[in-house]
Amino acid sequence: DTAVSQTPKYLVTQMGNDKSIKCEQNLGHDTMYWYKQDSKKFLKIMFSYNNKELIINETVPNRFSPKSPDKAHLNLHINSLELGDSAVYFCASSPGANEQYFGPGTRLTVT
Amino acid sequence: TQLLEQSPQFLSIQEGENLTVYCNSSSVFSSLQWYRQEPGEGPVLLVTVVTGGEVKKLKRLTFQFGDARKDSSLHITAAQPGDTGLYLCAGDTSGTYKYIFGTGTRLKVLA
Repeated sequence: DTAVSQTPKYLVTQMGNDKSIKCEQNLGHDTMYWYKQDSKKFLKIMFSYNNKELIINETVPNRFSPKSPDKAHLNLHINSLELGDSAVYFCASSPGANEQYFGPGTRLTVT
Repeated sequence: TQLLEQSPQFLSIQEGENLTVYCNSSSVFSSLQWYRQEPGEGPVLLVTVVTGGEVKKLKRLTFQFGDARKDSSLHITAAQPGDTGLYLCAGDTSGTYKYIFGTGTRLKVLA
């Protein structure tokens, strides 16, 4: 069983489109994250939810909107996609302290 | 801006050699994690250190947390091709689970 899964694995779309990435974890963790990894492999936190409540919201354009329908799911919706949004987006879950379990990533390419 | 600098940025060595990767900051961390990421996959947690001066061993990998909790090192003994990957450190300065990731070290071990 996959612990943290993301769909889709790859996403190619044009500028201006709106797209969503989905994440699910079956680890029973209360905390979930979205990270963005750029072309230089730098990982930066975007959002964190604890038990469906937003607890971390970094300096991210408001075109990005996370949503957590329940504590096992955290989705990321992106409006009006721009070239600079091209990156790999990782979802992660955490039992609360000092551990994070990452999904396989979603490679987003905006053309 | 808090920053976790890793060195070296790139490392290419022969199988059987030893190596050390460093993770440095001017900030104090409540905990520090080390991850390994392989191409096309998410980072995988190797270890977490929480106490200044702490040393943890994972087979041929030795992790150390600095006494002042501002830096950490990862030492690999007798590197093997399977150790190839991107090594990332990540720290939490505030105990709020808002993790900052290091700049990464790309290791290649040649057979």
